[in-house]
Amino acid sequence: AQTVTQSQPEMSVQEAETVTLSCTYDTSESNYYLFWYKQPPSRQMILVIRQEAYKQQNATENRFSVNFQKAAKSFSLKISDSQLGDTAMYFCAFRGPGGSNYKLTFGKGTLLTVNP
Amino acid sequence: NAGVTQTPKFRVLKTGQSMTLLCAQDMNHEYMYWYRQDPGMGLRLIHYSVGEGTTAKGEVPDGYNVSRLKKQNFLLGLESAAPSQTSVYFCASSYVRLNTEAFFGQGTRLTVV
Repeated sequence: AQTVTQSQPEMSVQEAETVTLSCTYDTSESNYYLFWYKQPPSRQMILVIRQEAYKQQNATENRFSVNFQKAAKSFSLKISDSQLGDTAMYFCAFRGPGGSNYKLTFGKGTLLTVNP
Repeated sequence: NAGVTQTPKFRVLKTGQSMTLLCAQDMNHEYMYWYRQDPGMGLRLIHYSVGEGTTAKGEVPDGYNVSRLKKQNFLLGLESAAPSQTSVYFCASSYVRLNTEAFFGQGTRLTVV
């Protein structure tokens, strides 16, 4: 079974600065997808970014980028130019191939607070 | 553009009562999921379905039952609610394709007293 670990329960950053959230995972699969979801106080789950394991190039979405290290099974999220609206719980998630592995497995989350 | 809709949004139950949470999606997704979210625990999978008429157990299935009689609906039942089932419940759906993300409902906050 796949596991996802987020080792930072809480983090804080000053507005306009850069912050990196860590995620590691464990799997024996060679092809899979990784996701970062954001959950603001509204409770809605919002997809931030995704990465395919076969792609060496790190995914980027505006101010959000990832550092994907397949051999190390690491998938960190970098938020540049942090904004107050980035304050949220961030979840790392894994989705594997085939049958029951298609389900999303989540880490325990990192609560990010952006301070003015 | 409804996406994934959960009803109800809030509910308070007494210990031993039963209830059903309804999830409906209008995106023709094959996969549907029920998660529970507890502080410090992230989202844990309760049950999931890979298609109409099929269901499977997730990580924390005890005390819950599910049914998927129609492709667009996924029901989560609590037969005899316990205080340990106090949580926020999320329904999600996705396509079969590996590269597609799951879309989530807005959550149901359930309190069992």
